[in-house]
Amino acid sequence: EDQVTQSPEALRLQEGESSSLNCSYTVSGLRGLFWYRQDPGKGPEFLFTLYSAGEEKEKERLKATLTKKESFLHITAPKPEDSATYLCAVDYSGAGSYQLTFGKGTKLSVIP
Amino acid sequence: DTAVSQTPKYLVTQMGNDKSIKCEQNLGHDTMYWYKQDSKKFLKIMFSYNNKELIINETVPNRFSPKSPDKAHLNLHINSLELGDSAVYFCASSQDEQENTEAFFGQGTRLTVV
Repeated sequence: EDQVTQSPEALRLQEGESSSLNCSYTVSGLRGLFWYRQDPGKGPEFLFTLYSAGEEKEKERLKATLTKKESFLHITAPKPEDSATYLCAVDYSGAGSYQLTFGKGTKLSVIP
Repeated sequence: DTAVSQTPKYLVTQMGNDKSIKCEQNLGHDTMYWYKQDSKKFLKIMFSYNNKELIINETVPNRFSPKSPDKAHLNLHINSLELGDSAVYFCASSQDEQENTEAFFGQGTRLTVV
């Protein structure tokens, strides 16, 4: 059973069409939930860390929220340059020290 | 300034060869990692090093060995390469403080075994 599940696998949006990406997790002892952006041919780029349920963080058109079982990455009025794969990862006490367990990602395409 | 840099970016080699990938970070971080991203883009941790000590060793073949000459470097050595080793390998580092555990990744090394 996957410990981190992201949905949808792929998402196509028109420019300006807001939407949300989901990351659900089954681990216990969450120490942190991380969102990354990955462009083709590049390494993951850090976006946010969330540590406790109810926490929210924003950066430009992106807003990340966290509950006890899942996180959402809300994208408001996306632009074509927001096209990328968005990865969710968790660090939890059952894993090794500060080890990230990743989901399989959501590939976002924003059409002009 | 590149925070986490790895070389080479591309590596094509024949089965059975031995190869190394180098990684350096200039962030002053305490821990460095190697991740493998397979053809389905799934990122999975292989190793991490903290202060020259191996603290995580996932169930990877012992043909893979991390070597850390100092806190800023973590190289990955692979012996007797197999077709299934083809993937993108990412180096990463993190500070490992309570509220500062995010990992920063290098650009990746695409390894192709033929």
